[in-house]
Amino acid sequence: NAGVTQTPKFRVLKTGQSMTLLCAQDMNHEYMYWYRQDPGMGLRLIHYSVGEGTTAKGEVPDGYNVSRLKKQNFLLGLESAAPSQTSVYFCASSYSPWTDGRPEQFFGPGTRLTVL
Amino acid sequence: GQSLEQPSEVTAVEGAIVQINCTYQTSGFYGLSWYQQHDGGAPTFLSYNALDGLEETGRFSSFLSRSDSYGYLLLQELQMKDSASYFCAVRALFSGGYNKLIFGAGTRLAVHP
Repeated sequence: NAGVTQTPKFRVLKTGQSMTLLCAQDMNHEYMYWYRQDPGMGLRLIHYSVGEGTTAKGEVPDGYNVSRLKKQNFLLGLESAAPSQTSVYFCASSYSPWTDGRPEQFFGPGTRLTVL
Repeated sequence: GQSLEQPSEVTAVEGAIVQINCTYQTSGFYGLSWYQQHDGGAPTFLSYNALDGLEETGRFSSFLSRSDSYGYLLLQELQMKDSASYFCAVRALFSGGYNKLIFGAGTRLAVHP
């Protein structure tokens, strides 16, 4: 099992450009999440999904959109990148806490994004 | 709102014991998790406490007091490879019936010979 994978690992964008970050998991998890991590601020939830076809906003959703067309994939889009979106982006997945009590989230390796 | 507080840095020597504290404020509290993250790596799950008391997993133990909104991670027999950042995370119920994790800012542990 590959676990959680993310594409790309690194990316440099210019202000105003758009891009999509890809996340895939092979553990048949219901829940998937996108976080950003900035120095000294821990992980902040951007958007999350509780199942195929559903998405919801997290703590810092502005400037991002997501889609969960297939259970195993969760896409994060930046329509018009800004320097404030320079960060490390982590995707994670987990079992549904309502059908399986295990609380563990499994994280991908991260995408390091720089917006100039 | 929700908030978590943990020390920003802790230093210890190999073989010692270190405790990383976490205090939280949140509604709809379900439990407290701990994650480890090495520089350049992804967070990995260490432990979870839903009930008061101590949970032990090898050299690591985690404690929760729901009445005090407080928990800690205890690392024993420290090894150089334990140098990493440690995050506490509250699992809480939010609107819509879904529960999510809210992470603290992290504690950077440096283990010296």
